[in-house]
Amino acid sequence: DQQVKQNSPSLSVQEGRISILNCDYTNSMFDYFLWYKKYPAEGPTFLISISSIKDKNEDGRFTVFLNKSAKHLSLHIVPSQPGDSAVYFCAVAMYSGGGADGLTFGKGTHLIIQP
Amino acid sequence: GAGVSQSPRYKVAKRGQDVALRCDPISGHVSLFWYQQALGQGPEFLTYFQNEAQLDKSGLPSDRFFAERPEGSVSTLKIQRTQQEDSAVYLCASSLIGTGDAETQYFGPGTRLLVL
Repeated sequence: DQQVKQNSPSLSVQEGRISILNCDYTNSMFDYFLWYKKYPAEGPTFLISISSIKDKNEDGRFTVFLNKSAKHLSLHIVPSQPGDSAVYFCAVAMYSGGGADGLTFGKGTHLIIQP
Repeated sequence: GAGVSQSPRYKVAKRGQDVALRCDPISGHVSLFWYQQALGQGPEFLTYFQNEAQLDKSGLPSDRFFAERPEGSVSTLKIQRTQQEDSAVYLCASSLIGTGDAETQYFGPGTRLLVL
């Protein structure tokens, strides 16, 4: 049973517009949330993260929103640029038990920015 | 600075062959993780080291998979008697401290393993 779901396998957005990528998780014990971006034949690259004590974190064009009651995470990219075309993975972790934790990933959303 | 490096980048093995995949974490990073990514899926956790201690190996799919980090830096993931279902990209990640506070994991480029 998937603990992290990215229900859109792909998303097409026009250059300059807002891209919104969504992620749902099932376990309310998860307390750290990350977005990674992946180009073909490369490893995932860290984009932005948020801990469960916050509901928003912003870094330049990237903003992550966390809705704990809905167990929902989203990534907003404004404005979208051609170089943003990649696969985006949502990842979650549980640190409340102490010690580092392996991340649990969604299946990814392929974002395509159209000129 | 240098990121996480992995070698080889590509490996083709015949079914039944043993393979060894290497990971060099970011210098000074205490924690090291291995993940397996099948085609069209997200990475799945295999195992975790803090320095040389393997603290979690719950994700290793079978006893054919073995990982070590003897000196607390470089790690090797070994797969014995490879099967076709082992074909995947094997990703290594490292993080700085691993004390229990949430930390970002930084990934290497992966090793793409194809078992024929």
